Amino acid sequence: AQSVSQHNHHVILSEAASLELGCNYSYGGTVNLFWYVQYPGQHLQLLLKYFSGDPLVKGIKGFEAEFIKSKFSFNLRKPSVQWSDTAEYFCAVIAGRDYKLSFGAGTTVTVRA
Amino acid sequence: DGGITQSPKYLFRKEGQNVTLSCEQNLNHDAMYWYRQDPGQGLRLIYYSQIVNDFQKGDIAEGYSVSREKKESFPLTVTSAQKNPTAFYLCASSVQGAGETQYFGPGTRLLVL
Repeated sequence: AQSVSQHNHHVILSEAASLELGCNYSYGGTVNLFWYVQYPGQHLQLLLKYFSGDPLVKGIKGFEAEFIKSKFSFNLRKPSVQWSDTAEYFCAVIAGRDYKLSFGAGTTVTVRA
Repeated sequence: DGGITQSPKYLFRKEGQNVTLSCEQNLNHDAMYWYRQDPGQGLRLIYYSQIVNDFQKGDIAEGYSVSREKKESFPLTVTSAQKNPTAFYLCASSVQGAGETQYFGPGTRLLVL
């Protein structure tokens, strides 16, 4: 069974700082990769996804993620964060021909104004 | 206005009581899912259904039951056999097919009295 690990449990940074959240998965075959975000009091929303093609994918609100197959990684980045980026971020993977979305434990990001 | 609705937002359960969480979608999606979210553990799959009148157990199905009598509805019953039911429950849906993007509802928080 695949597993997903997110390296940071809680990240605190100031506005305009750059953000990078790490995500690694354990499955060796074909995968579809996702980042979801959960803003305070709101439901889980899709930030971006990778199915195939260009390994650098761009999502909403200035986020991007890079799929590095050799490292089994799908790290999320944003060059300059805003206070409104305060949220919990989840990396998720569907392996091969599966229906089960496997989630990482999540990273809480707190942006200080 | 398309989307996934879950009700109620908060639900209280007494010891030994069964409770049912509602999930409705008007996205015309064939597949629906139930996840449980606990702090620091990400989301874990309880049950999923790829098509009406069919469903499969996820990773943590014990103490839960579901039905899928209509395409747009996938209710989850938390039975008295579930010893630790306090959690945030999320319903999701997707178009049919392995590896597809799942879209989430606002969630129901279940608390045991």
